[in-house]
Amino acid sequence: GEDVEQSLFLSVREGDSSVINCTYTDSSSTYLYWYKQEPGAGLQLLTYIFSNMDMKQDQRLTVLLNKKDKHLSLRIADTQTGDSAIYFCAESLNRDDKIIFGKGTRLHILP
Amino acid sequence: GAVVSQHPSWVICKSGTSVKIECRSLDFQATTMFWYRQFPKQSLMLMATSNEGSKATHEQGVEKDKFLINHASLTLSTLTVTSAHPEDSSFYICSANGQGARREALDTQYFGPGTRLTVL
Repeated sequence: GEDVEQSLFLSVREGDSSVINCTYTDSSSTYLYWYKQEPGAGLQLLTYIFSNMDMKQDQRLTVLLNKKDKHLSLRIADTQTGDSAIYFCAESLNRDDKIIFGKGTRLHILP
Repeated sequence: GAVVSQHPSWVICKSGTSVKIECRSLDFQATTMFWYRQFPKQSLMLMATSNEGSKATHEQGVEKDKFLINHASLTLSTLTVTSAHPEDSSFYICSANGQGARREALDTQYFGPGTRLTVL
């Protein structure tokens, strides 16, 4: 069935790069997403990548996709205190389908 | 563009009462809307999918008579939690997809800010 797995916690020093990893099971997924959720707030779409892409970069964010291994990663360069949040990896079959979310990775920034 | 709003942002109610949550697409026509639920420290789980003008499809384990969904227009969907109980306390988030002002297909779903429901 559909499943998205990601580590629950990541601690990174301010200024370093953060890398959040995710694996998914449904090879038919064409959309792969990264969302950010700050405490008590809604979801913010950070970026998404199509399954026929290997990489997508947007300012400090870099998404890498290994479709063969069904592995997705999000790299945040020069991590700042404002990046402290929960990051959800997610997938969907296409843009009109339900989105399956991972449990979220809580990113903690060390001074 | 592609803004989704929810109302109310939070609500507290007594056990046994019904609560209605609205989800609106502000600048596009939402042909499909999704309702998700997020319990504390957990991920989002899809509750139901609604297409404008037709009955909603509830996910397995989500009671359709308890979680009533109406998607009567291209800009509004409502979720009514009937006879709410403390175990229904959660963060309810909607998302929407559809067409923009120039009838272009939106690239992805857009999420509302969520409604926090607390049932006493």
